Amino acid sequence: RKEVEQDPGPFNVPEGATVAFNCTYSNSASQSFFWYRQDCRKEPKLLMSVYSSGNEDGRFTAQLNRASQYISLLIRDSKLSDSATYLCVVTYYGQNFVFGPGTRLSVLP
Amino acid sequence: GAGVSQSPRYKVAKRGQDVALRCDPISGHVSLFWYQQALGQGPEFLTYFQNEAQLDKSGLPSDRFFAERPEGSVSTLKIQRTQQEDSAVYLCASSLGTGGTYEQYFGPGTRLTVT
Repeated sequence: RKEVEQDPGPFNVPEGATVAFNCTYSNSASQSFFWYRQDCRKEPKLLMSVYSSGNEDGRFTAQLNRASQYISLLIRDSKLSDSATYLCVVTYYGQNFVFGPGTRLSVLP
Repeated sequence: GAGVSQSPRYKVAKRGQDVALRCDPISGHVSLFWYQQALGQGPEFLTYFQNEAQLDKSGLPSDRFFAERPEGSVSTLKIQRTQQEDSAVYLCASSLGTGGTYEQYFGPGTRLTVT
């Protein structure tokens, strides 16, 4: 079983839709959590960190459930420019980033 | 300011050739990471440097892979006797501090194709 798993995707949604991505991780000794975004043939870029209390940045909301070892990302009012692959990232004390396989999102006009 | 740069951006190598991939991190960034990304997959960790010290090389797939950062800035990932399974995008990332709470900034990657 992989350390970090994500919804397999792809997700094809119309503009304006709300879409949610799920991520689970297997190692309970986790430190930090992030969502990165990767456009086709580009490098990953930080979208947002994920805090225990949950956090929101505009149309994006991230939630963390440590007990269930589960992270989510909600995108409201999807835009065409949101089309990308979303990577869930988990880090451990003294260790490095472990990336999930990514979930591809296509927002359709 | 300048981001992370990598060169070459594309490399085609014949099976059995040696290749060297270069990474220039953001100036002042202590940590440097190398990842391998296969098509349709997330980046897989290869190795980590804190300044010039290679603290973790557990992700290097074989002893054909070697990385160095001799002066704590530029890093080189070398692959000897390339094989077809080495074909992937090699990403370099740097971060300001150490530990898992700092954002990693990625370079554009080197796309390696082994024929």
